[in-house]
Amino acid sequence: KAGVTQTPRYLIKTRGQQVTLSCSPISGHRSVSWYQQTPGQGLQFLFEYFSETQRNKGNFPGRFSGRQFSNSRSEMNVSTLELGDSALYLCASHPTSGVSNEQFFGPGTRLTVL
Amino acid sequence: GDSVTQMEGPVTLSEEAFLTINCTYTATGYPSLFWYVQYPGEGLQLLLKATKADDKGSNKGFEATYRKETTSFHLEKGSVQVSDSAVYFCALHLNFGNEKLTFGTGTRLTIIP
Repeated sequence: KAGVTQTPRYLIKTRGQQVTLSCSPISGHRSVSWYQQTPGQGLQFLFEYFSETQRNKGNFPGRFSGRQFSNSRSEMNVSTLELGDSALYLCASHPTSGVSNEQFFGPGTRLTVL
Repeated sequence: GDSVTQMEGPVTLSEEAFLTINCTYTATGYPSLFWYVQYPGEGLQLLLKATKADDKGSNKGFEATYRKETTSFHLEKGSVQVSDSAVYFCALHLNFGNEKLTFGTGTRLTIIP
């Protein structure tokens, strides 16, 4: 089985621009979560999608948004980029709702905002 | 709110030394507990987990026991190798139907030959 894939792996943007990151979960996984990893704040939960619905959201401004498609692939969008949005964005897929099982992480997208 | 407090790093050890990385948690319910490992340039990999009190998770020589009385989940390994050099994260998962993981700050481990 292929693992979680994230595209692109690296991205450089300038302040004020917007960006879209993509995540393809493991086949059959219906839950996708997004995390932001920075040296200062560590790993912070952004949001989770299950069956195309946002099920939970972290404490991030409205500039951060996401969606999930019928094939479980997910995208996250950040509008009006700020320097502080520079981070590694990790996506995780989960096999079954309602069961505390392993989450499988992708390699991440490294976003640099100049 | 729920939180995880993890031993500050970085930690540097010689090969074959004994490793302990402390982790304690605060949660309003009965969480599942995890240790994840991150190698340079990669995402997170699950190292081990425990879903209820007194459970012991183990993998690749690493162990951690879910201690409800001390709200702890310390990671241990009897003899570390250079290949164990990585960043280790303790995490908890609380609610079914909600896959949010709450992570500690991470501990960078470097093993010297």
